Amino acid sequence: SAVISQKPSRDICQRGTSLTIQCQVDSQVTMMFWYRQQPGQSLTLIATANQGSEATYESGFVIDKFPISRPNLTFSTLTVSNMSPEDSSIYLCSVDPDRGLNGYTFGSGTRLTVV
Amino acid sequence: DAKTTQPPSMDCAEGRAANLPCNHSTISGNEYVYWYRQIHSQGPQYIIHGLKNNETNEMASLIITEDRKSSTLILPHATLRDTAVYYCIVRVAVADKIIFGKGTRLHILP
Repeated sequence: SAVISQKPSRDICQRGTSLTIQCQVDSQVTMMFWYRQQPGQSLTLIATANQGSEATYESGFVIDKFPISRPNLTFSTLTVSNMSPEDSSIYLCSVDPDRGLNGYTFGSGTRLTVV
Repeated sequence: DAKTTQPPSMDCAEGRAANLPCNHSTISGNEYVYWYRQIHSQGPQYIIHGLKNNETNEMASLIITEDRKSSTLILPHATLRDTAVYYCIVRVAVADKIIFGKGTRLHILP
C-alpha cells in the first residue's frame, strides 16, 4: 500500500488568513481525495483531485474557499482560505493506490485550529 | 449520502469476539462492502472488503448475507487497541470516492 506524508501535522492560525496543506505520496496515483473531519464528527469528502484537471468539489464546498492543486501524480495541496473558527477541523488526504484491491490509504491528518 | 446504517456504539469484553453489524439494503450488484477503522487522532485504516463471499485476513473476518443487504465485521479476539470508530462503506471497487457514514464507536472493556 502507499505511504502518505501530510504536512503540517497541526497548526494554529488567525482568522482571515489562509493555510496550505501538503500531501505527498510515495507512488503515482490517479486520484487524490481531501476530507474534513470536524470535532466529534465523521469524515466529509471535500473534493477529488485528478492530475491535469480541475478538482471536483462535493456539495457545500467551493473552489474559492478550498482551492486544490494537483501538479503531478504524487503530490497535492489543499488551501483553506479566509479562515474562520468554523474551519477548525482535521483535514486528511487519501489515495486509492491499488484501485480498490486494498482500500484507501489515508494520511495522518492536519489538525487546524482557527483563533 | 452514506448507503449504510450502523449502531452508534457497542461494547465488547477484552478477549471476546467483537461482532459489528452493518445494514446496506440498497447495495448494487457491483458494489463492494469495505470496512475501515479510525483510532483516536489517526487517519482511517483499511480493514477488509468483500463482494458476496465471506472474507478473512489477519485483522478480521467479514460475513456478508446471501442477499447482500447486511454484513458483520468480526474481530475474533478483541484487545484494548481495537477501541476505535468502525466504518462500513459500500462502493464500486474501481476509482470511486468513499462516503463515510457515522460509524460504530467500539469500546473494548478490560
